[in-house]
Amino acid sequence: DTEVTQTPKHLVMGMTNKKSLKCEQHMGHRAMYWYKQKAKKPPELMFVYSYEKLSINESVPSRFSPECPNSSLLNLHLHALQPEDSALYLCASSPVAGGYGYTFGSGTRLTVV
Amino acid sequence: DAKTTQPPSMDCAEGRAANLPCNHSTISGNEYVYWYRQIHSQGPQYIIHGLKNNETNEMASLIITEDRKSSTLILPHATLRDTAVYYCIVRVPRMDSSYKLIFGSGTRLLVRP
Repeated sequence: DTEVTQTPKHLVMGMTNKKSLKCEQHMGHRAMYWYKQKAKKPPELMFVYSYEKLSINESVPSRFSPECPNSSLLNLHLHALQPEDSALYLCASSPVAGGYGYTFGSGTRLTVV
Repeated sequence: DAKTTQPPSMDCAEGRAANLPCNHSTISGNEYVYWYRQIHSQGPQYIIHGLKNNETNEMASLIITEDRKSSTLILPHATLRDTAVYYCIVRVPRMDSSYKLIFGSGTRLLVRP
């Protein structure tokens, strides 16, 4: 299995809702990442998990809460989002943090209404 | 934080070589150059990476100038399926010994029939 699987593919949520994005990989990678991508812009790093521990938070607002339950799973919990948070959220993994061999998922397209 | 400069768009004819340039004049000696591409509505896909020497794999070739201030990604025989946004990326070390991928703004390549 050489894929990073993200669910759901599309999500529409209200500003008072709580939702979660899920990411899964079975390549034995020990680093997992969340990126945010606005339309026609490159991906921007949000969080890095290394060996299931949060190692980097790129000053992301607390309404985004990451969680790494085990080495294969990465969640992003969303609460009280704003319309400007609408974007494509990409998950990625690599054998170790910052090494070569990043594999990206296809993303969750989030719309906040 | 921007480390790379790319032309916003290019086109080439199907079957011909596509040469995508990237300037990274502030790159440091231990910072790798990576190329990823993103086809519409998908996550970025790894193409190739290099430090000093030219590199070739089954997808592409990477030519890095001797001073390392610029590089060119070459798709030797472009097909319609190569139409995508191509990102030139520099992998920079962080103080905690991890690395961060700094994405360029990307070049939108259109392969014409």
